[in-house]
Parts: sequence; structure tokens; C-alpha cells
Amino acid sequence: DVKVTQSSRYLVKRTGEKVFLECVQDMDHENMFWYRQDPGLGLRLIYFSYDVKMKEKGDIPEGYSVSREKKERFSLILESASTNQTSMYLCASSFSGADNEQFFGPGTRLTVL
Amino acid sequence: GQSLEQPSEVTAVEGAIVQINCTYQTSGFYGLSWYQQHDGGAPTFLSYNALDGLEETGRFSSFLSRSDSYGYLLLQELQMKDSASYFCAVRNSGNTPLVFGKGTRLSVIA
Repeated sequence: DVKVTQSSRYLVKRTGEKVFLECVQDMDHENMFWYRQDPGLGLRLIYFSYDVKMKEKGDIPEGYSVSREKKERFSLILESASTNQTSMYLCASSFSGADNEQFFGPGTRLTVL
Repeated sequence: GQSLEQPSEVTAVEGAIVQINCTYQTSGFYGLSWYQQHDGGAPTFLSYNALDGLEETGRFSSFLSRSDSYGYLLLQELQMKDSASYFCAVRNSGNTPLVFGKGTRLSVIA
């Protein structure tokens, strides 16, 4: 089975802290994505990557950065966490050319106090 | 730009059939996908339509009309476990990522 894992299920941080969210997939997928999910807003794309060392901004990249040093790992970084970044963060991956089928991790519920 | 419209909530009776509609406006079109997400769970892929017509997978079917920029997900013989949120998603091209709708929360009642 395809497995996408995220480093934490729940995370509580303080305003101004630097936050790292890690995502690892074990299916050799080229594509990886970070979304945030808020009630009534659906899934909004923060950043994505179609290859190692490559990154592209999604719809809401402000306040976030990413790192993809290895194919299987895609990290989301909140440089200085703010309360409006309290959300559910979902990582996903897919094969190149088959992006319509994405595989999601279990999500990280981040609370910024 | 691109936008997707789907109803925010739908309620249906166990054993019945329900249709969840999705209309989209995109500069290009590279297929319509559907995902299911149970409360507290991760979204999971259900279906993909690249061409017009109906795709059937067990109790679930998905339909696409590219000329109408419209698709729907059809769930038959509804079960309580089908209570979940359903998202439609489209791509503009083969080089752009999926854009998701805001989701439809389906409640199946006895």
C-alpha cells in the first residue's frame, strides 16, 4: 500500500516559533504537495514540488516555505508561526503524469497560541 | 483563474441514491477527479473522468460533460458509512496541480 506519513498528528506552538512539518512517502512518487484545510474553505494548495530540489508556489504560499532535498521527503516550514496559521495541514504525493490521483497523509493539526 | 462550485451539504436516506454536482470554470481542462474524506481522516481518491460520459466503480459513478463544464458523483444504495465530505477537483493542464472545490458534506440518515 502507498503510505504517506506526517511527522506529527497534533502540534501546539507559540506565536513567532519556527515550525517544521515533515512528510515522507514510500512509493517513489515524483510529485509532492502541501495543503491546508479549514472549515468551509476546502483544500488550499500552499506549495508543491514536481522533483527533488524543485518547488513551486501554490495558491497561499505567504508565511510558508518548503524544502525537498530528497525525493521521498517534503518539508513545510513556518518561519514565524502566527495564530492565523492554526489549521489542518495535509501532505500528498502522486506519480508524475498521474496527478489526478493523489495520496494523502493523515494530516497534522497545528495550533498556534 | 479557476473556480469550482459544489453544494455545501446534502442529506439522503440510507439505501437511496444521491447525486453531488460540480460545475467548474477553468482556463483549460485536464480532467475531473473526486475525493472522499471522512471526519478526522485523509482525503482518498474515488474517481477520475477525462472524457465525457459515465465511469462506474461499484456503488459509485462519476459523470462528466466537458461542453457544460459539469460533472457529478452518483452514490447508489447509500450506506451510513458513506457519510463524509466529497470534493471535486480539476486540473488546467498536465503541468498544473489539482484545484479542489470546497467540498460537499453528505449526511446519510436512517
